Amino acid sequence: AQSVTQLDSHVSVSEGTPVLLRCNYSSSYSPSLFWYVQHPNKGLQLLLKYTSAATLVKGINGFEAEFKKSETSFHLTKPSAHMSDAAEYFCVVSRLTSYGKLTFGQGTILTVHP
Amino acid sequence: ETGVTQTPRHLVMGMTNKKSLKCEQHLGHNAMYWYKQSAKKPLELMFVYSLEERVENNSVPSRFSPECPNSSHLFLHLHTLQPEDSALYLCASSQGIAGALQETQYFGPGTRLLVL
Repeated sequence: AQSVTQLDSHVSVSEGTPVLLRCNYSSSYSPSLFWYVQHPNKGLQLLLKYTSAATLVKGINGFEAEFKKSETSFHLTKPSAHMSDAAEYFCVVSRLTSYGKLTFGQGTILTVHP
Repeated sequence: ETGVTQTPRHLVMGMTNKKSLKCEQHLGHNAMYWYKQSAKKPLELMFVYSLEERVENNSVPSRFSPECPNSSHLFLHLHTLQPEDSALYLCASSQGIAGALQETQYFGPGTRLLVL
């Protein structure tokens, strides 16, 4: 079985300050992990993915995430928030041996204040 | 967003209506998916198709009926829905599925469905 928990349902930051969105996962197998972003009235867009290569993964728009097996975490960070980063973010785990089987977290809504 | 398109973007229907949601992918992918996104709940996988063959039916009620006539098109036929079926329905596609769990899924913008 696999699951993913996003520890914060809402995160609020000021523009130009760092962003941290937390994600913990549970998987009986070596997982692949993803972060997706969803802007209002838009589909989900892939930010980055971890697939057992480098543990520090760089994505689009300055986001990155670090896979920490000992902590079963895959937190998303960005050094400096931009107004356009305001959206909902989903942490996703995929089981290595099954197809199309993505398990989504509940989502974290990021608000960026001017 | 031109990779995966969905129509209509918004749909209001009564419980006795029959309607269909359409998804089209322009990425040359072999796998397509339907997801349901309800308020305050994680995305739920509904159906998976690989090379036009259904490979996963995630305990979805029979009032939802998928159809995949070719690898580029996916439909979700709706009939006698309930108000609790109101949600955002997302379509996704990926290059392949078997042995390719790392395959990135590309999502459409979704159809916002309201059942009255």
